[in-house]
Amino acid sequence: AQSVSQHNHHVILSEAASLELGCNYSYGGTVNLFWYVQYPGQHLQLLLKYFSGDPLVKGIKGFEAEFIKSKFSFNLRKPSVQWSDTAEYFCAVNEAGGYQKVTFGTGTKLQVIP
Amino acid sequence: DTAVSQTPKYLVTQMGNDKSIKCEQNLGHDTMYWYKQDSKKFLKIMFSYNNKELIINETVPNRFSPKSPDKAHLNLHINSLELGDSAVYFCASSQDSGGNTIYFGEGSWLTVV
Repeated sequence: AQSVSQHNHHVILSEAASLELGCNYSYGGTVNLFWYVQYPGQHLQLLLKYFSGDPLVKGIKGFEAEFIKSKFSFNLRKPSVQWSDTAEYFCAVNEAGGYQKVTFGTGTKLQVIP
Repeated sequence: DTAVSQTPKYLVTQMGNDKSIKCEQNLGHDTMYWYKQDSKKFLKIMFSYNNKELIINETVPNRFSPKSPDKAHLNLHINSLELGDSAVYFCASSQDSGGNTIYFGEGSWLTVV
């Protein structure tokens, strides 16, 4: 079974700082990878996803993530954060193909200070 | 129109009661889910249905019973509520269960007192 680790539980940054949130998964086969964001009091929304092709994926709101297969990682990055990026960020993975459940990481709370 | 809608949004109830949360999606998706998010924000899948058929049933107490009358609806009924059931329950849907984007509802905040 796959699992997802997000080692940063709580990150505090000042506006304009660069962001990198770590995500590692454990599964030996082909995977689909996702980053979801949950703004305070709201539901989860997709930021970006990787299925195949270019390992550098660009998402909404200036976010990007890089799939490094050899490191089983899918880290989320943003060059310059804004106060409105304050939210909980969830990495998720599922086995490609078939009826496979999506497994979420435990989330990283990002707090951006104006 | 909200793509995945669930009701009620807030529910406060006493231990031992039975309650239901309803969910509807208007995206034409084949697969629907129930996720539970606890106080630490940990998000865990409970059930997944594809075209009204149960395909994922995680280790969830029998007190939780999903029902899918059609592929656009997936309701969650909970019997004999316990304090530990307090959480946010998210309904979600996807085109299929092979890894397509999951669209989440706005959540139902359940508090058991």
